[in-house]
Amino acid sequence: LAKTTQPISMDSYEGQEVNITCSHNNIATNDYITWYQQFPSQGPRFIIQGYKTKVTNEVASLFIPADRKSSTLSLPRVSLSDTAVYYCLVVGGSYIPTFGRGTSLIVHP
Amino acid sequence: DGGITQSPKYLFRKEGQNVTLSCEQNLNHDAMYWYRQDPGQGLRLIYYSQIVNDFQKGDIAEGYSVSREKKESFPLTVTSAQKNPTAFYLCASSSWGGNTEAFFGQGTRLTVV
Repeated sequence: LAKTTQPISMDSYEGQEVNITCSHNNIATNDYITWYQQFPSQGPRFIIQGYKTKVTNEVASLFIPADRKSSTLSLPRVSLSDTAVYYCLVVGGSYIPTFGRGTSLIVHP
Repeated sequence: DGGITQSPKYLFRKEGQNVTLSCEQNLNHDAMYWYRQDPGQGLRLIYYSQIVNDFQKGDIAEGYSVSREKKESFPLTVTSAQKNPTAFYLCASSSWGGNTEAFFGQGTRLTVV
């Protein structure tokens, strides 16, 4: 199971772009990188998933370099409502979602 | 409306009592999971089930029990053997295998009084 490492916390201001990087040095060939968002007292919610290069949806972008040993979640123009914990997961064949402590993002006015 | 429902949202238990947390899904998912979350911590896996009538222990199964008699339901019992049961409990479901997305319920906050 690929272990992930991400910053414990980050601070930003409204309107800025936020980039959260996750390292996963022992990612396997058939693993995907998945990000979830969790608000206080709620269950995590899927944000985005990718295998390589770049993936974009209406919420975020995910950048994955060629060696796939890291990935970066990019949140464009954050607002106060983006204050949450963001989890990076590496998922593969025996899919048991494993969550670390995540990155606590605080967006300031 | 497809989704996963946990009940109750808040639960109070006296020490020494067993309590059962409900989790129901209508997403036709094979796999279901129970997690525990403590303040400021990530999610820790208690039990998971890949298929009806089968389940496996996760990282912190001691003091908990589950059943999977129906595809839609995966109740969790917190027994009196669980020494520190006060926590936020989350249930999730997904298709099994590969790059599938997990869907979570809204959680049950259990407090021992």
